Amino acid sequence: NAGVMQNPRHLVRRRGQEARLRCSPMKGHSHVYWYRQLPEEGLKFMVYLQKENIIDESGMPKERFSAEFPKEGPSILRIQQVVRGDSAAYFCASSPYSSYNSPLHFGNGTRLTVT
Amino acid sequence: TQLLEQSPQFLSIQEGENLTVYCNSSSVFSSLQWYRQEPGEGPVLLVTVVTGGEVKKLKRLTFQFGDARKDSSLHITAAQPGDTGLYLCAGGNTDKLIFGTGTRLQVFP
Repeated sequence: NAGVMQNPRHLVRRRGQEARLRCSPMKGHSHVYWYRQLPEEGLKFMVYLQKENIIDESGMPKERFSAEFPKEGPSILRIQQVVRGDSAAYFCASSPYSSYNSPLHFGNGTRLTVT
Repeated sequence: TQLLEQSPQFLSIQEGENLTVYCNSSSVFSSLQWYRQEPGEGPVLLVTVVTGGEVKKLKRLTFQFGDARKDSSLHITAAQPGDTGLYLCAGGNTDKLIFGTGTRLQVFP
């Protein structure tokens, strides 16, 4: 039973380019969460999605960032016109229920470097 | 905004020592989870506590949820080098988990 799969593991983009981060949740999980982590820090919530719906995007910047979780295929976190401050590790997690009490299963992250 | 502050931020100890990590908030949480993260990997769940005052043991690790459900602690007995990692508490409320600031533990042989 494959875990949460994120790709790419490492992504290098120049300022102004677009970054697309993909996340395939565990089989049977319909809840996906995206978190961002800076070195030596905790995880900052960005967005919570269920299939085809954004449930909570309160942690995601209003501009340049978007997320989707289509009926078929992986969840995508898209960052347009990247800036150096976007450099971080982005983690995706999935669960079979809302994470109120249920554990989150994390992928190994995508490390984005903006040059 | 709900915040979870962890202390200490960094901890370096010798193998065999005991340690306690604290997770504090001014907000009440419905549940509290602890995760451990190793370099280059995602966090992995250690435990979930849901009842105020609850104590859970996982081998040498003891987790406690405060009576008011605003704080939690993680105690490790006789730490081993394999315990090295980033420990994260996370509070559950409404629809998402809010993560703490993290405690980086290093255990030297």
